[in-house]
Amino acid sequence: KNQVEQSPQSLIILEGKNCTLQCNYTVSPFSNLRWYKQDTGRGPVSLTIMTFSENTKSNGRYTATLDADTKQSSLHITASQLSDSASYICVVSAGNNAGNMLTFGGGTRLMVKP
Amino acid sequence: EAQVTQNPRYLITVTGKKLTVTCSQNMNHEYMSWYRQDPGLGLRQIYYSMNVEVTDKGDVPEGYKVSRKEKRNFPLILESPSPNQTSLYFCASSFSFRTAEWVDTQYFGPGTRLTVL
Repeated sequence: KNQVEQSPQSLIILEGKNCTLQCNYTVSPFSNLRWYKQDTGRGPVSLTIMTFSENTKSNGRYTATLDADTKQSSLHITASQLSDSASYICVVSAGNNAGNMLTFGGGTRLMVKP
Repeated sequence: EAQVTQNPRYLITVTGKKLTVTCSQNMNHEYMSWYRQDPGLGLRQIYYSMNVEVTDKGDVPEGYKVSRKEKRNFPLILESPSPNQTSLYFCASSFSFRTAEWVDTQYFGPGTRLTVL
């Protein structure tokens, strides 16, 4: 069964600090991995998408890495801001021809404190 | 502005009273999908549609129906809602479900919080 596990479940950091969120997956065959940011009460918004051949991708202060061999990804947030407080969801896409190809992780809830 | 809209945003209803949550996108996307989000369970797919008149079950389709009569709209229908369908619902769309040459993102609506008493 395809699964995506994220850690930690929740995290509290001080404004200006860096943090790293982890995502481990067992999705086969692998197509791509996405990180989403979801503010409370809002829909998820895409941060990055990485295919098998990409091992790092940045979007401003967000940098995602992918190790397809170990089936792990991380999302690094640099110089955190209060607006980074949100849930971060790792989503892995299976390389099949069906439309139900996305497996969602449970998310990491990040709180940035002043 | 490119967006996915859902209505209503909040709904409180009673068991057995049929309801419809609408979803509309203005990006000419082929692929649309419905998810429910529950604490501790993350997002789970209910139904998806790869194009007009093409729909299929996701992971948790029981108790739900959908239709895709036109490209922009993908309503979610609960014929006889039950309390276990109390949840936060998201509609999403993307250009296609998957392409070989490039990877497209999926746009989510703002969510509909449904409470079934």
